[in-house]
Amino acid sequence: GAGVSQSPSNKVTEKGKDVELRCDPISGHTALYWYRQRLGQGLEFLIYFQGNSAPDKSGLPSDRFSAERTGESVSTLTIQRTQQEDSAVYLCASSPLGVETQYFGPGTRLLVL
Amino acid sequence: AQSVTQLGSHVSVSEGALVLLRCNYSSSVPPYLFWYVQYPNQGLQLLLKYTSAATLVKGINGFEAEFKKSETSFHLTKPSAHMSDAAEYFCAVIGNTGKLIFGQGTTLQVKP
Repeated sequence: GAGVSQSPSNKVTEKGKDVELRCDPISGHTALYWYRQRLGQGLEFLIYFQGNSAPDKSGLPSDRFSAERTGESVSTLTIQRTQQEDSAVYLCASSPLGVETQYFGPGTRLLVL
Repeated sequence: AQSVTQLGSHVSVSEGALVLLRCNYSSSVPPYLFWYVQYPNQGLQLLLKYTSAATLVKGINGFEAEFKKSETSFHLTKPSAHMSDAAEYFCAVIGNTGKLIFGQGTTLQVKP
């Protein structure tokens, strides 16, 4: 079946603009995670959804970052007033309820000029 | 709190040589451990996982890892490296709420 998809694959924006990143999880996966991968660094957890609720938002770096999810479907990560340090690859992963393996999408590469 | 340390940000081996990528974890509870691989400009792909069953875990592409509680280690090995193994490898442990806590990653270079 289809895997996790993300759009856009690449995004170039100017400092101060808002951006929206989209994630379509594998159908039936109730858990959805966002991670960030900055150049030369490891992967950082951002936020976790179980269904459309977010029990763990501890990784969001500032109040410029927000995310929502529609039911057990698509999720959007929004970054307001982007800064150059927001440049990174944003990865989304989904997982069936009660199963530990997370399946990753190809990521969105964000460049803030 | 859980954490993972990968020793060596870059590892270089010759084609056909043994691959050994090191991972040590810290966890206050029995850990679930993972190795993921990331090829250039791609997402992460699961290589293998340990979930408290057998301590020697076999994964895809000939990789395996052994969970050693006494050493708090979960090193990744492959007997014979192939050029196609060149990629970045991440060790991870499950944290609370199921989020993955990753090591810094190890870039594997395979020389002909």
